[in-house]
Amino acid sequence: NAGVTQTPKFRILKIGQSMTLQCAQDMNHNYMYWYRQDPGMGLKLIYYSVGAGITDKGEVPNGYNVSRSTTEDFPLRLELAAPSQTSVYFCASSYQGWPYEQYFGPGTRLTVT
Amino acid sequence: DAKTTQPPSMDCAEGRAANLPCNHSTISGNEYVYWYRQIHSQGPQYIIHGLKNNETNEMASLIITEDRKSSTLILPHATLRDTAVYYCIAPRGNENTGNQFYFGTGTSLTVIP
Repeated sequence: NAGVTQTPKFRILKIGQSMTLQCAQDMNHNYMYWYRQDPGMGLKLIYYSVGAGITDKGEVPNGYNVSRSTTEDFPLRLELAAPSQTSVYFCASSYQGWPYEQYFGPGTRLTVT
Repeated sequence: DAKTTQPPSMDCAEGRAANLPCNHSTISGNEYVYWYRQIHSQGPQYIIHGLKNNETNEMASLIITEDRKSSTLILPHATLRDTAVYYCIAPRGNENTGNQFYFGTGTSLTVIP
């Protein structure tokens, strides 16, 4: 079991560029989540999904898009990168929603310059 | 979500028990208390969760007061590898929604040799 995997580990983007952060899990979890963590701060929820084809906004969704075409994958898309999106991005998954615990990936460190 | 309050930092001697407090005085009846930790910018790691009763697993014990307004995470024999930021979370959710975890800034625990 690889758990939750994320690619890439690091990325530097120029302002206005686009990219997709990949997230995959092999635990057959229905729920998946994207968080961002700014330096010295806690994590903030960007988007989450309760199953394939279903997504919903979290606390800070602006500037991001998601899709969930399979149970395993939950990519996060940045369309027009801005310096404010410089952060560490974590993907997580859980078997069900409440009250199940979430399992996190190792993170993607993104810098926008 | 119930608001949680944690001390910003704590020290603990190696080999001693680490007791990390959390106040969640606004918690409602169906809100669980979860504890996670984050070691040096890695992905958060699930530790334990509970609703009313005290809980114990291979990592830690969770003591919840009878009125559920506060809880304590206990690491029975702290090691240097337990140095991390510890998050106490009380998310609001139900069986139809994802657990929307809102991470604060947590308690930075330093285990001292």
